[in-house]
Amino acid sequence: NAGVTQTPKFRVLKTGQSMTLLCAQDMNHEYMYWYRQDPGMGLRLIHYSVGEGTTAKGEVPDGYNVSRLKKQNFLLGLESAAPSQTSVYFCASSRTGDSDTQYFGPGTRLTVL
Amino acid sequence: QKEVEQDPGPLSVPEGAIVSLNCTYSNSAFQYFMWYRQYSRKGPELLMYTYSSGNKEDGRFTAQVDKSSKYISLFIRDSQPSDSATYLCAMSESGGATNKLIFGTGTLLAVQP
Repeated sequence: NAGVTQTPKFRVLKTGQSMTLLCAQDMNHEYMYWYRQDPGMGLRLIHYSVGEGTTAKGEVPDGYNVSRLKKQNFLLGLESAAPSQTSVYFCASSRTGDSDTQYFGPGTRLTVL
Repeated sequence: QKEVEQDPGPLSVPEGAIVSLNCTYSNSAFQYFMWYRQYSRKGPELLMYTYSSGNKEDGRFTAQVDKSSKYISLFIRDSQPSDSATYLCAMSESGGATNKLIFGTGTLLAVQP
């Protein structure tokens, strides 16, 4: 039982490049989330999903897109990376959304030059 | 003003000390209060979970919520070097279809042997 895994662990992009971050969970959770963590800003919600085939915007969605084609996977896309998207990205999942415990992945460190 | 305020520290204490970590908040609708622990270069993990006001104890950890003052605390007794980490408070409103957590920025704790 791996919990929540994220791929890749590290990535360096040039401005304007695109990439996709993959999150996978093996706990059969309905809800999945993408956060970014920046110094002095804490964790901020980018997008979330309440089930397979559904997505919704969080606090800081601009510049990102997401997809949840399979229940166990949640993808975060950057179409045209900007230096402001340099951050550590965390994926999380929870069994339900009613203030249930969120389980976090190990994070992806992204640098945009 | 941020919805959740947390002193970033760093807080340095000797082994065996009692540690007090705190957060204040402005949204009176928050009902669920959590403390996450995050080791360096790892994802956050849930440490304590409290609903509404009151105290909750789990081993060396005690969480307190004072809704009248909009103030929550985490106490660590007999602190150990292994407790060295960043501690994040998180909160959410009651009910709703999604569990949108609002995080504090985190307090960095160092327990010196």
